[in-house]
Amino acid sequence: GENVEQHPSTLSVQEGDSAVIKCTYSDSASNYFPWYKQELGKRPQLIIDIRSNVGEKKDQRIAVTLNKTAKHFSLHITETQPEDSAVYFCAPSRWGYNKLIFGAGTRLAVHP
Amino acid sequence: DTAVSQTPKYLVTQMGNDKSIKCEQNLGHDTMYWYKQDSKKFLKIMFSYNNKELIINETVPNRFSPKSPDKAHLNLHINSLELGDSAVYFCASSHRDRGSEAFFGQGTRLTVV
Repeated sequence: GENVEQHPSTLSVQEGDSAVIKCTYSDSASNYFPWYKQELGKRPQLIIDIRSNVGEKKDQRIAVTLNKTAKHFSLHITETQPEDSAVYFCAPSRWGYNKLIFGAGTRLAVHP
Repeated sequence: DTAVSQTPKYLVTQMGNDKSIKCEQNLGHDTMYWYKQDSKKFLKIMFSYNNKELIINETVPNRFSPKSPDKAHLNLHINSLELGDSAVYFCASSHRDRGSEAFFGQGTRLTVV
């Protein structure tokens, strides 16, 4: 079955620093690469996604980069703020497929 | 206007009891899911339904039985609750033709005592 790994499992940064979380997957047919953010006590919500015909996508302080050959994609957060503190999940899948497998999550703590 | 809603938000019950969690989505999605999130925050898929049909049934004990009366609803019934069932259960939905973005309900925190 599909194997999804996230690294690191925890990440602690100072406010203003950058944070990078990597997601590695095994299903070579994956063509949709989203990142979800889950704040404490809240539901997971999509924050950015990318499809396999694009190598990078940026939305203000967050970006996702994709290396399809190596089967990994990364979430980049620049100028981190305390409100970025949350658990982040990747969920690589096939577009329109009825199965979302999430990585184990990365707990990001941004210290003022 | 709530997109995916599940009830109840909190559920405290004794071992051995039977309980249900309800989920409804008003997004017109054709696929609904149940996920279990344990204390380590791992989101594990339990079931996936597409147009009321069971698509995915991961290795979940038979005590868990999903029911989808129509495309907009997916309920979860749990028999003979055990301590290890304590977790947060999330319902989610997506639409096959609109990619795979999942919209989650608020979660149900189940505590078995």
